[in-house]
Amino acid sequence: DQQVKQNSPSLSVQEGRISILNCDYTNSMFDYFLWYKKYPAEGPTFLISISSIKDKNEDGRFTVFLNKSAKHLSLHIVPSQPGDSAVYFCAASGVDSNYQLIWGAGTKLIIKP
Amino acid sequence: DSGVTQTPKHLITATGQRVTLRCSPRSGDLSVYWYQQSLDQGLQFLIQYYNGEERAKGNILERFSAQQFPDLHSELNLSSLELGDSALYFCASSAGQGSNSPLHFGNGTRLTVT
Repeated sequence: DQQVKQNSPSLSVQEGRISILNCDYTNSMFDYFLWYKKYPAEGPTFLISISSIKDKNEDGRFTVFLNKSAKHLSLHIVPSQPGDSAVYFCAASGVDSNYQLIWGAGTKLIIKP
Repeated sequence: DSGVTQTPKHLITATGQRVTLRCSPRSGDLSVYWYQQSLDQGLQFLIQYYNGEERAKGNILERFSAQQFPDLHSELNLSSLELGDSALYFCASSAGQGSNSPLHFGNGTRLTVT
């Protein structure tokens, strides 16, 4: 049973445009959400996080939005740059997961020049 | 560079064998996590140690075991290997015990069981 789902295995976006990556979760007890970015042959690197008391968190070109009623979060990258091409994972945690991260399967983002 | 070192980078072995994966956490981090990533899947949490003690257990098979040593490095032991154990194994470290401290990942060990 996948508690965190990234339904788009891949996404292609023109350089300079907005990239929107989506993530859905099923467990309403999750209260902390993170996005990680992964390049080939490297481990994931932390990008941005949001707690359930907020609905938006921004860090430079990256903004994460949380819609608790829909159990949905999204990562916006504006403007998209070639170096953003990577696999993006969302992850969630809460009391039900013993505060361990539950990961989505990832979305491969390709930025076209 | 995350500061987390994993060795070896690649490991090829036969079914039934036993291997040991090693992880040195980022300087100052007390927590070490082990994750398994099979093809096109998300990361599956295996086990966490905090300052030498087991903190949390995930979907870790009985054939797998881990420990964290006094110098905080950790080892993941995989025994009686099966073809399905072929995967990327990541180690991550963090300063605190909980998931609210961002994890810093090593570059992984790719295990191939033939």
